[in-house]
Amino acid sequence: DTEVTQTPKHLVMGMTNKKSLKCEQHMGHRAMYWYKQKAKKPPELMFVYSYEKLSINESVPSRFSPECPNSSLLNLHLHALQPEDSALYLCASSQAPGSTDTQYFGPGTRLTVL
Amino acid sequence: AQSVSQHNHHVILSEAASLELGCNYSYGGTVNLFWYVQYPGQHLQLLLKYFSGDPLVKGIKGFEAEFIKSKFSFNLRKPSVQWSDTAEYFCAVKGLTNAGKSTFGDGTTLTVKP
Repeated sequence: DTEVTQTPKHLVMGMTNKKSLKCEQHMGHRAMYWYKQKAKKPPELMFVYSYEKLSINESVPSRFSPECPNSSLLNLHLHALQPEDSALYLCASSQAPGSTDTQYFGPGTRLTVL
Repeated sequence: AQSVSQHNHHVILSEAASLELGCNYSYGGTVNLFWYVQYPGQHLQLLLKYFSGDPLVKGIKGFEAEFIKSKFSFNLRKPSVQWSDTAEYFCAVKGLTNAGKSTFGDGTTLTVKP
């Protein structure tokens, strides 16, 4: 199984809503990542979890809150988002957060904030 | 800091034409380099990667890339493109001292006309 799954595929939310994005992998990977991708733009790193601990936070606003409940799951909790947060949110995983590791990407959750 | 530059924003080719997409990086140390492809409506997939050794690396679907250290380049090539190669192509770099942090180029949109 070389798959990273993400749910939901699409999410529409208002600026006052609270929602969560979920990511799951069963490859035994110990590093997991959240990226944000706007249309026709490259993925931008948001967070990196290494062995279930947050190791990189790329100065992401606090309205995005990551959580890694175990080595297979990664959540992104959303609260009080802005319309400019509308984007494709990608999850990825790799064996470990070393530079030689290949990241495997999920299909993404397309988020629309109204 | 590491950065990646992809000079071709949009490339249009006819089937059977040869392809070369440029990628230059900036980083003051040893790097690992990647090319990802994103087909319309699909998630990011790894095409090929360079870690060390032979600077000419071969990937999936007939793609190859050459790492030229003196030019800080990692250009992607394919001798004969197909309509199914129509996609967005991203070059990415990971510096060895930036474990877990990939930086992506802005991407090149390739359109192959049948």
